[in-house]
Order: sequence, then C-alpha cells, then structure tokens
Amino acid sequence: EAGVAQSPRYKIIEKRQSVAFWCNPISGHATLYWYQQILGQGPKLLIQFQNNGVVDDSQLPKDRFSAERLKGVDSTLKIQPAKLEDSAVYLCASSLVAGVGETQYFGPGTRLLVL
Amino acid sequence: AQSVTQPDIHITVSEGASLELRCNYSYGATPYLFWYVQSPGQGLQLLLKYFSGDTLVQGIKGFEAEFKRSQSSFNLRKPSVHWSDAAEYFCAVGEAPLVFGKGTRLSVIA
Repeated sequence: EAGVAQSPRYKIIEKRQSVAFWCNPISGHATLYWYQQILGQGPKLLIQFQNNGVVDDSQLPKDRFSAERLKGVDSTLKIQPAKLEDSAVYLCASSLVAGVGETQYFGPGTRLLVL
Repeated sequence: AQSVTQPDIHITVSEGASLELRCNYSYGATPYLFWYVQSPGQGLQLLLKYFSGDTLVQGIKGFEAEFKRSQSSFNLRKPSVHWSDAAEYFCAVGEAPLVFGKGTRLSVIA
C-alpha cells in the first residue's frame, strides 16, 4: 500500500514570496491533515479536511495560509506571503475516517526555509 | 485544555541498554494516547496507541508503553535498544486535534 506522498521535499524562498505544497493521501482515506513542525517542537495541526470539507482550521493563519482539497483526494497548502517564522517542516497526514483516536499516517514532509 | 509534556529533550543510551522515555499528559477524561517515532528526514510513524483496557500496550519494533492514570503518564519502554532506534520520539494525546509533545531525541552509542 502506498503511503502519503508529499512534494516538494525541500523548498527555499525569500520572505514575501509565495509557496505551495502538495499532498496525496493514502487511497481511500477520507480525512486529511496539514501540520506545521517548527524545529524543536512537536507537530501542530493547521487544518483538517473531511473529504473536501474543512473540519478544523482554527490554528491556520488565514491572512497568509490557505489550503484546499477540491476533489476530496489530494490537497495543496499555500503560503502567501511567506515570513521568516514560517520556516518549518510541513507534514501531511491522512486517516481512514475522522473518528476519535483514529490512526493518522504521515508523509515525509516538506522542509521550508524562508530567507 | 489537553497538553503533553516530554521532560527529556535528549537522551543517550548505549546499544543493548534498556530505554524509558517519559510522557505526562493533561486531559479531562480518559485519554487517547499515542507514541510516534520520526527518523531524520522522515514523517512520523505510529509505534503504539492506548484507548482503553490493558494498561500495558505493545507496539512495533519491540516497544511497549504503560498507562498510569494516577500519575498521568504514558511512558515508552524498550528492553534492549538497537542503533537503528536513534530518532525523535513524540508522545501525543487527543481526540481532535491530536496534541503532540515537543519530542525526545534518542541517541544510541556503541
């Protein structure tokens, strides 16, 4: 079974530029998550989708971050404009359903460096 | 609000020695608890999880964890560490969203 795919794996941009990350979840997984992992911290949830609808985006900085999952499968996360403090690893995860305690499967992440 | 504390930022153990990684949580009800491992450049992999029942949980790669409600702890253990266990370990609690600790980095020396 293929795992969660993410691209690109690494990205370096200047501050105020825009950037987009792509995620393809495990086939059949209805729930998709984007996490931000700052160096030395645990992952922090940015947004959760159930199929193509948003379940939780309470911690997404909506003035600069956006995410979509148009067909209920793959997803993109965009930052525009980027700030220095956005340097982090962006992890995508998926789970079969959105149930309590459901196992989340993580992709390898996209490491972003904002200069 | 739910929270997770991993008191040890970095632990070094000798190969073949036993390991215990500490995790304390704050949660209003019976918690759902997880341990994940993250190898360099990799995503997180689930080692084990606890929902209810037997408080000693077995996971993959020879890891186990024990839930102690009285101590609000869910410590991860392994009787004999291998060099390949060197990684970052995250404890997490939650329903939705999942709340992670800051992680413990494990180094293994010969």
